[in-house]
Amino acid sequence: QVQLQQSGAELAKPGSSVKISCKASGYTFTSYYISWIKQTTGQGLEYIGYINTGSGGTNYNEKFKGKATLTVDKSSSTAFMQLSSLTPDDSAVYYCARLGARDYWGQGVMVTVSS
Amino acid sequence: DIQMTQSPSSLPASLGDRVTITCRASQDIGNYLRWFQQKPGKSPRLMIYGATNLAAGVPSRFSGSRSGSDYSLTINSLESEDMAIYYCLQHNEYPYTFGAGTKLELK
Repeated sequence: QVQLQQSGAELAKPGSSVKISCKASGYTFTSYYISWIKQTTGQGLEYIGYINTGSGGTNYNEKFKGKATLTVDKSSSTAFMQLSSLTPDDSAVYYCARLGARDYWGQGVMVTVSS
Repeated sequence: DIQMTQSPSSLPASLGDRVTITCRASQDIGNYLRWFQQKPGKSPRLMIYGATNLAAGVPSRFSGSRSGSDYSLTINSLESEDMAIYYCLQHNEYPYTFGAGTKLELK
């Protein structure tokens, strides 16, 4: 069955970076884009962008350009999102998702930015 | 960016009620509209895609409709398991944008 397994919760200091992963299984990884979504209590759900898992091409929401960097490792069927120059506003749950006729979402990763 | 104005933000209802949640798109999005259900501590679950199509495994009491730029999710005969937050998502144009959510709760 299709699964997207995300890495564990992160506690990071302001100004640092984190890299979270999303390991896909149960389907041909390079056949579907992976999207990333941010969820906070205040801002709700925000679409960060997607990565073409076959070519590595990306499309970012302007709001997240310079903040998020999306990459893939085809050999391990894993997508990554690096968040840089972290501030408390980056504290959120981050989801990866395969959006299509049937959606599949990861379980989410809570990122907490605190000194 | 396309704005999705979702209403109401909170919807108290009783079991057995028929409820409707609406999203209005600021620009034409065709039928590129999805509805998600989210329960506490869980990932969003797709309920409706293509504005009117029921996703796999979703009970038939859920339905989606469109009238111009207004998209609606209707739940007939509300059940306790339906208490959750519902979000719409437009995926006609990047960046995809979500509605602010509707919290469906027992009256």
